[in-house]
Amino acid sequence: AQSVTQPDIHITVSEGASLELRCNYSYGATPYLFWYVQSPGQGLQLLLKYFSGDTLVQGIKGFEAEFKRSQSSFNLRKPSVHWSDAAEYFCAVGRNNAGNMLTFGGGTRLMVKP
Amino acid sequence: EAQVTQNPRYLITVTGKKLTVTCSQNMNHEYMSWYRQDPGLGLRQIYYSMNVEVTDKGDVPEGYKVSRKEKRNFPLILESPSPNQTSLYFCASSLIGLHRGDNSPLHFGNGTRLTVT
Repeated sequence: AQSVTQPDIHITVSEGASLELRCNYSYGATPYLFWYVQSPGQGLQLLLKYFSGDTLVQGIKGFEAEFKRSQSSFNLRKPSVHWSDAAEYFCAVGRNNAGNMLTFGGGTRLMVKP
Repeated sequence: EAQVTQNPRYLITVTGKKLTVTCSQNMNHEYMSWYRQDPGLGLRQIYYSMNVEVTDKGDVPEGYKVSRKEKRNFPLILESPSPNQTSLYFCASSLIGLHRGDNSPLHFGNGTRLTVT
């Protein structure tokens, strides 16, 4: 069975600092990988996705993520964090069987210090 | 505006009192799904539907029912709610499933916070 682990439950960074959120997955086949962001009181918004091809994918809001098959990782990065990036971030792996079923990680809550 | 609409946003109820959370999408999406979000557990899928009259269980279907009589609507029904169903619920939709090679992302509603006392 597939699983997704986000090792960091909470992360605090200073505004302007770089950010890396970790995501490790377990999946037998080539995974479909996603990062979603959830602002307080809101639903989830897709930041970026990886299906195939270039392992470095660019998303919205200046985020990027790199797929590393050898490490079973799909870490999310941003060079310079803005206060508006404070939110909860979810990594997810898509199952290539039936439906659009995603397995989500437990989430990482990002706090940004002024 | 393309959106997934859930109602109500907040609901407090008592054990055993049947309730329905509605979900509607205006994007003509085939695929719809319900998730529950609990601290530290991320989102877990309850039920999903590939199209009208086609529904299937997700990872945590116990205590829930769904129906898909129309393409745009996918209500979540709790016949006899219990306190362990206190959670934040999300409805989501997309064009077609991943297994067809489509890369359509899920579109989420804004959530329904349910408290069962």
